[in-house]
Amino acid sequence: NAGVTQTPKFQVLKTGQSMTLQCAQDMNHEYMSWYRQDPGMGLRLIHYSVGAGITDQGEVPNGYNVSRSTTEDFPLRLLSAAPSQTSVYFCASSQGASGANVLTFGAGSRLTVL
Amino acid sequence: DAKTTQPTSMDCAEGRAANLPCNHSTISGNEYVYWYRQIHSQGPQYIIHGLKNNETNEMASLIITEDRKSSTLILPHATLRDTAVYYCIVRVRSGAGSYQLTFGKGTKLSVIP
Repeated sequence: NAGVTQTPKFQVLKTGQSMTLQCAQDMNHEYMSWYRQDPGMGLRLIHYSVGAGITDQGEVPNGYNVSRSTTEDFPLRLLSAAPSQTSVYFCASSQGASGANVLTFGAGSRLTVL
Repeated sequence: DAKTTQPTSMDCAEGRAANLPCNHSTISGNEYVYWYRQIHSQGPQYIIHGLKNNETNEMASLIITEDRKSSTLILPHATLRDTAVYYCIVRVRSGAGSYQLTFGKGTKLSVIP
């Protein structure tokens, strides 16, 4: 059981480039989300999805796009990378979106924008 | 904004119980308290969660006060591998009808040999 898988683990981009961070889960979880973590800080919610075809914004959505075409996958797209998007990104999923559902996190993707 | 307040750092002797406090005075009646920890820059690891009653699992115990305004995470026999940042989080209802985790800065627990 792989849980939540994120790829790539490391990525370096130049300002203005685009890329997609991949997130896949094999637990048939309805709820998925993306967080970013900056040095010395807690995690901040970027976008989330309560099911296939449904997405919504979190605390820091600007500069990021998401889509949810399948239950398993929830990619995060950076359309035009900026140095301020240098961060560690975590994907997480849970059975449902209620307060009682435990979130499982991936190992993270470290992004550097030059 | 995080709805919890935690000490910035704590030390604990190896083999002793680690008691990590958390204040969440504005918690609503249907919001759960969660504890996660993060070792270096790894993904946050779930420890335990609760609503009103005290909870125990193989990793830790969670003590929630009767008024639900504070809680304590207890690691019964701390080891060096428990050195990590511990996050106390209230899972808050969002506008879309789902519940989100809002992380603060957590408590840096150092287990001392």
